[in-house]
Amino acid sequence: DAGVTQSPTHLIKTRGQHVTLRCSPISGHKSVSWYQQVLGQGPQFIFQYYEKEERGRGNFPDRFSARQFPNYSSELNVNALLLGDSALYLCASSPPASSGTQYFGPGTRLTVL
Amino acid sequence: SQQGEEDPQALSIQEGENATMNCSYKTSINNLQWYRQNSGRGLVHLILIRSNEREKHSGRLRVTLDTSKKSSSLLITASRAADTASYFCATDAAGGSEKLVFGKGTKLTVNP
Repeated sequence: DAGVTQSPTHLIKTRGQHVTLRCSPISGHKSVSWYQQVLGQGPQFIFQYYEKEERGRGNFPDRFSARQFPNYSSELNVNALLLGDSALYLCASSPPASSGTQYFGPGTRLTVL
Repeated sequence: SQQGEEDPQALSIQEGENATMNCSYKTSINNLQWYRQNSGRGLVHLILIRSNEREKHSGRLRVTLDTSKKSSSLLITASRAADTASYFCATDAAGGSEKLVFGKGTKLTVNP
């Protein structure tokens, strides 16, 4: 079975630009969550989507937005990039009636210059 | 903000030794999980312990949970060089939210 996939693997942008990151969950998983991991820190929760509805939002500015598609894949969009947005962006999926375990993709490394 | 704090921040041991990492958290939880991360890549789920459990084993892993002290420990027995990674504890708040709150992690180095 394929795990969670994310694209692209790496991305370099300049300040002020916008970026779209993509995630495909494990087949059968309907919940997708996004996390930001700054170097040397643990992941921080950004969004959770379930059945195309936003179920939770972390303490991030409105420059961050996301959506989930009918096939349960998801996009994370970040506008007006700042240097501080440089991080590893992780997507995780979980099955229906999950015990709480989330399955993470390999991440997208975003560098903002 | 980080919910948990892992201790120590870094740990260096020899192959064959045991490694113990601790985690403290702040709020009531449904369960606590431990994840492993190799070199800034994705996280791999290791083990989940529910709030009504005190100890759980999985292969060379042993996890304990003390909800009265809001703390957990992860023991890796007979460590191998391949165990070198960062280890994170993650909690989800009581109330059903799937949001995971991670600590800053313990960086484990196992020397051959």
